[in-house]
Amino acid sequence: GAVVSQHPSWVICKSGTSVKIECRSLDFQATTMFWYRQFPKQSLMLMATSNEGSKATYEQGVEKDKFLINHASLTLSTLTVTSAHPEDSSFYICSARLDNEQFFGPGTRLTVL
Amino acid sequence: SQQGEEDPQALSIQEGENATMNCSYKTSINNLQWYRQNSGRGLVHLILIRSNEREKHSGRLRVTLDTSKKSSSLLITASRAADTASYFCAPGGGYQKVTFGTGTKLQVIP
Repeated sequence: GAVVSQHPSWVICKSGTSVKIECRSLDFQATTMFWYRQFPKQSLMLMATSNEGSKATYEQGVEKDKFLINHASLTLSTLTVTSAHPEDSSFYICSARLDNEQFFGPGTRLTVL
Repeated sequence: SQQGEEDPQALSIQEGENATMNCSYKTSINNLQWYRQNSGRGLVHLILIRSNEREKHSGRLRVTLDTSKKSSSLLITASRAADTASYFCAPGGGYQKVTFGTGTKLQVIP
């Protein structure tokens, strides 16, 4: 139990386009999900906390207008990278909280050309 | 938020040897999780230890937790080349968000 999936697992897009990444809790409901970003050879950095039915809370330095987060249901949160640029190329990982535990998705690798 | 800091940053051992890595954190926790990340891949959950537990085993993994010292250790016994990866701890629980340290990069030499 407590499986989190992400879709797509990898995506390549042109500069200036928008990309949507989905995070789903498959067998549980999650009122809170988290989005992380990881640049090559660096640690995971928390970007934002996604709350079902309300606005996301962004970490300092993360542009909320660039990284749009929608948590419309108890099993789905989406991260949309708007007007993506090569510097947005990264590994994006989500996690979902169930009770006192956090379960991570497998990640989405975004490459912006 | 909760953040774990792993130590050492890098560890290189021969296949068959044991690998020990440590995690320290700053505030009270309900549980602590260890994850493995192979290069360019997602996080793989290894083991969760709750705050009322002192030691937990899973296969070749042994995790200890000392809440008085706010530290945990992960021991991998009889290491294999396939264990080569980065290892992260995630102290957490409750409703605090988890942030990650830089991890321990383990290299197991065949």
